[in-house]
Amino acid sequence: RKEVEQDPGPFNVPEGATVAFNCTYSNSASQSFFWYRQDCRKEPKLLMSVYSSGNEDGRFTAQLNRASQYISLLIRDSKLSDSATYLCVVNLGYGGSQGNLIFGKGTKLSVKP
Amino acid sequence: EAQVTQNPRYLITVTGKKLTVTCSQNMNHEYMSWYRQDPGLGLRQIYYSMNVEVTDKGDVPEGYKVSRKEKRNFPLILESPSPNQTSLYFCASSLNRGPLEQYFGPGTRLTVT
Repeated sequence: RKEVEQDPGPFNVPEGATVAFNCTYSNSASQSFFWYRQDCRKEPKLLMSVYSSGNEDGRFTAQLNRASQYISLLIRDSKLSDSATYLCVVNLGYGGSQGNLIFGKGTKLSVKP
Repeated sequence: EAQVTQNPRYLITVTGKKLTVTCSQNMNHEYMSWYRQDPGLGLRQIYYSMNVEVTDKGDVPEGYKVSRKEKRNFPLILESPSPNQTSLYFCASSLNRGPLEQYFGPGTRLTVT
């Protein structure tokens, strides 16, 4: 069964805090991994692709652990504007499932002043 | 402006009345996809298209049809809508021949009574 699991939260954190989200996926053949951000009632927007070597974009760091089949997102120095739902997304990326994307249900983050 | 557009944005209809939700992108993207988003279930892929004239089923294709006769358009067709198709629908596209770094449309909120 194809599955992507996330802690739904909500994570309620003060401004300036560091917060980490994890996501696990069940299919070990998965090839591509992403974090998307979705604001309430809006369309999802790509936050980061996740590479095997890990990648960083400003206050955001994403990491992939293939052996344990999980992806993480770290947000440092949280801002009020970081409040959103964060979606973990996995693509099998090969064969007949090349175009098939599996979304996690999302982790809700609320950053408080 | 580079974008994915969907029409209509809001639609209330009755069971059994055929409808089409249009999706268009102006970025010359190869890949396009349709999703539905429901509370507690997250985003689920309905259909996707790797390129013109190529479409494949996602995880929840039942009750939907799509076509990709030209690169920029990917309409979603509900031949006989039912109340369980009441949902928020998103269209998305990406440059590569695969669902990498997708751009989402603003969403279509459909209610079937």
